[in-house]
Amino acid sequence: GAVVSQHPSWVICKSGTSVKIECRSLDFQATTMFWYRQFPKQSLMLMATSNEGSKATYEQGVEKDKFLINHASLTLSTLTVTSAHPEDSSFYICSASGLAGRTQYFGPGTRLLVL
Amino acid sequence: DAKTTQPPSMDCAEGRAANLPCNHSTISGNEYVYWYRQIHSQGPQYIIHGLKNNETNEMASLIITEDRKSSTLILPHATLRDTAVYYCIVRVLGGSNYKLTFGKGTLLTVNP
Repeated sequence: GAVVSQHPSWVICKSGTSVKIECRSLDFQATTMFWYRQFPKQSLMLMATSNEGSKATYEQGVEKDKFLINHASLTLSTLTVTSAHPEDSSFYICSASGLAGRTQYFGPGTRLLVL
Repeated sequence: DAKTTQPPSMDCAEGRAANLPCNHSTISGNEYVYWYRQIHSQGPQYIIHGLKNNETNEMASLIITEDRKSSTLILPHATLRDTAVYYCIVRVLGGSNYKLTFGKGTLLTVNP
């Protein structure tokens, strides 16, 4: 149980374009979803927390207008990287929690390369 | 959330038990100890968590000292597929603070 999927698993895009990443909880309802970013040889850094039907809460230093998060249902959250630039190239990972504050289960990650 | 300290790397022979230590000397009474691991280029995988009693599941055992200031994750029979970075995280379960704060973890290398 507790399976989280992400799509796509990797994406290459041109600088200035927008990219949407989907995160789905497959066998449970996720009241809370989280988005992380991981640069090479570094640990995961939390970008934002989203609760179903509410606006996302962004961590300090994360631009909310650049990283748009939508959590419209209990099984789906999306992260849109707007006007992507090469410095946005990273490994983006989502996680989901079935009940507020409970164990988080992670997706497989999406590798983004901006040319 | 309380800070944790883990060795940066450890080696283990295949088939032997891997014992990964974690220090969390400033842990609060309502904070749980969580363990995750991240295999290269994958998302983290939940392993186990506990409050004060020892816990065991199909993946591992978690031994928490009586004063709760340290814990050990035990993989009873390590395989090559257990090579990963292991993260020890302490956090409150429930409440308004949902965050997991990842440190640098321990890179466990299982050798044939």
